[in-house]
Amino acid sequence: LAKTTQPISMDSYEGQEVNITCSHNNIATNDYITWYQQFPSQGPRFIIQGYKTKVTNEVASLFIPADRKSSTLSLPRVSLSDTAVYYCLVVSNTGGFKTIFGAGTRLFVKA
Amino acid sequence: DTGVSQNPRHKITKRGQNVTFRCDPISEHNRLYWYRQTLGQGPEFLTYFQNEAQLEKSRLLSDRFSAERPKGSFSTLEIQRTEQGDSAMYLCASSLRERGRGTEAFFGQGTRLTVV
Repeated sequence: LAKTTQPISMDSYEGQEVNITCSHNNIATNDYITWYQQFPSQGPRFIIQGYKTKVTNEVASLFIPADRKSSTLSLPRVSLSDTAVYYCLVVSNTGGFKTIFGAGTRLFVKA
Repeated sequence: DTGVSQNPRHKITKRGQNVTFRCDPISEHNRLYWYRQTLGQGPEFLTYFQNEAQLEKSRLLSDRFSAERPKGSFSTLEIQRTEQGDSAMYLCASSLRERGRGTEAFFGQGTRLTVV
């Protein structure tokens, strides 16, 4: 299983764009980069997933360089409700959801 | 609500007692996972099922822990002779086996176990 490394915490202000970078040097060919969000006392929730280049959905963008050894989650115009823990995961397309979460990045959005 | 459902949400038990948690996955999902999360840490993989078959177990799953998924539907996680170190949030997730993308798992809200 590929481990990931991401900042332990980040602070931001409402309305700003937040970029969280993750490194995953041992990513394998079958692996996808996946980001989850978790609020206190709740289970993690899927945000976005990508294999290479750029992926965008209604809540975030994910940038993945050609070597796929890192990725950046971009949250546009954050609000107070985006205060949460964000996990960068490497997930196989063959082995189910057996993955390593790590400690995640605690994002704190201030008014 | 068609999401993953876990019961109970909270459980307080005395050390040495047995506890059992239940997880009802999203109905069409054939894969089911158990994770454990302690305060300030990310979830840790415990085990997973494809239909009724338990395909993998973590070394974290000691012989006091047993999980079942009869008939490939709901799952139970039992902890025998609980210890204070078992206090954690136990998360269940389910997913479909998909091709051409990484697995997306849907988590329940978890069962918080406190062993006193």
